Amino acid sequence: DIVMTQSPESLAVSQGERATFNCKSSQTVLNSANNKNYLAWYQQKPGQPPKLLIYWASTRESGVPDRFSGSGSGTDFTLTISSLQAEDVAVYYCHQHYITPHTFGQGTKLEIK
Amino acid sequence: EVQLLESGGGLVQPGGSLRLSCAASGFTFSTYAMFWVRQAPEKGLEWVATIDNGSGAKTLYADSVKGRFTISRDNSRNTLYLQMSSLRAEDTAIYYCAKSIGGISSYYEYWGQGTLVPVSS
Repeated sequence: DIVMTQSPESLAVSQGERATFNCKSSQTVLNSANNKNYLAWYQQKPGQPPKLLIYWASTRESGVPDRFSGSGSGTDFTLTISSLQAEDVAVYYCHQHYITPHTFGQGTKLEIK
Repeated sequence: EVQLLESGGGLVQPGGSLRLSCAASGFTFSTYAMFWVRQAPEKGLEWVATIDNGSGAKTLYADSVKGRFTISRDNSRNTLYLQMSSLRAEDTAIYYCAKSIGGISSYYEYWGQGTLVPVSS
């Protein structure tokens, strides 16, 4: 199984500042046949289901604010919030859907400092 | 507008069975692979099962549920199912259905609100 490891476990950032989330996979999730990284990021607010933010590692889902961006390839990935807003408080999960079983990172909890 | 509405959750005793449903609307249900994902209380996300598009001939399961859970779909009813049997305390979770972008190697584009399954005597 591909193990997804997120860091840090929790993050406290001041409003307006940058927040950076890291995700490392135990094997590559880059499909060389189509040059796509099978890596997505989700945001989960308390009491709500996860919401897709980023897919193919760096493509922002429609309607997601442009302060959210994703980067990385192969085994190392980053989600960045460029200027933290209060409504961004949530848990953020990375997810590999390249190989079954699909696996998620353990999540990073984001709080306002 | 894509909507996924899970139902069928509720308290069940260890060893019992339950069938979850996920009613889909706002898209051509039959052309998309679908997933079940669960989240134990205060825990992270765990993939449970996948069914491919079309007839749903291809199904995949997490080792933790293989042989106990069955995923299926009724395209005429636009509904996804998860038949759960031999339930254990560790199956206690919110169960979400999720929609693919097409095939089984897909990210999870939309999620339902989830249905809670507590397994307890």
